[in-house]
Amino acid sequence: GENVEQHPSTLSVQEGDSAVIKCTYSDSASNYFPWYKQELGKRPQLIIDIRSNVGEKKDQRIAVTLNKTAKHFSLHITETQPEDSAVYFCAASWYTDKLIFGTGTRLQVFP
Amino acid sequence: DTAVSQTPKYLVTQMGNDKSIKCEQNLGHDTMYWYKQDSKKFLKIMFSYNNKELIINETVPNRFSPKSPDKAHLNLHINSLELGDSAVYFCASSPQGGRNEKLFFGSGTQLSVL
Repeated sequence: GENVEQHPSTLSVQEGDSAVIKCTYSDSASNYFPWYKQELGKRPQLIIDIRSNVGEKKDQRIAVTLNKTAKHFSLHITETQPEDSAVYFCAASWYTDKLIFGTGTRLQVFP
Repeated sequence: DTAVSQTPKYLVTQMGNDKSIKCEQNLGHDTMYWYKQDSKKFLKIMFSYNNKELIINETVPNRFSPKSPDKAHLNLHINSLELGDSAVYFCASSPQGGRNEKLFFGSGTQLSVL
């Protein structure tokens, strides 16, 4: 079955710096790759997603890149702010709505 | 006006008890899910229903039984609770099945089994 690995597990950056979180997936049939942000004590919320027919997608300070050949995708956050501090989850699925989540990255942005 | 609401928010109970968590969505979505988030924050799908029909049933003990009386509701009943069942359970919904769309999560139910 599908397996999603996510690195790093924790990431600390200074406000204004960039943050990069990387994920790899095992099932080459996977075609949907969302990223969810979960603030402390809150529900996960979708921040950006990418489908397999696209290599890169950007939304203001966040961007996701996908390398289908290498089966990995990354989340890039530029100009980080303290409110970006949260746990970020990558996920992958193949058509079936069965999202397999990565193990999460705890991002801390220090002012 | 909450899109996906689940109750209760906190559930503290003794081992061996039976408990239920309720979930309702007012978004008109066809698909609903239950996810379990353990103490290490790992999110794992348990079940999904599309229009009241079971679509995904992961390797979950038989003690967990989902019930969907209509497409706006997906409840989770747990029999003979065990210590290892302690976790946060999230209900979620998405517009249509099989199209990989955004998940809308409920606020979670923190279950503590003593």
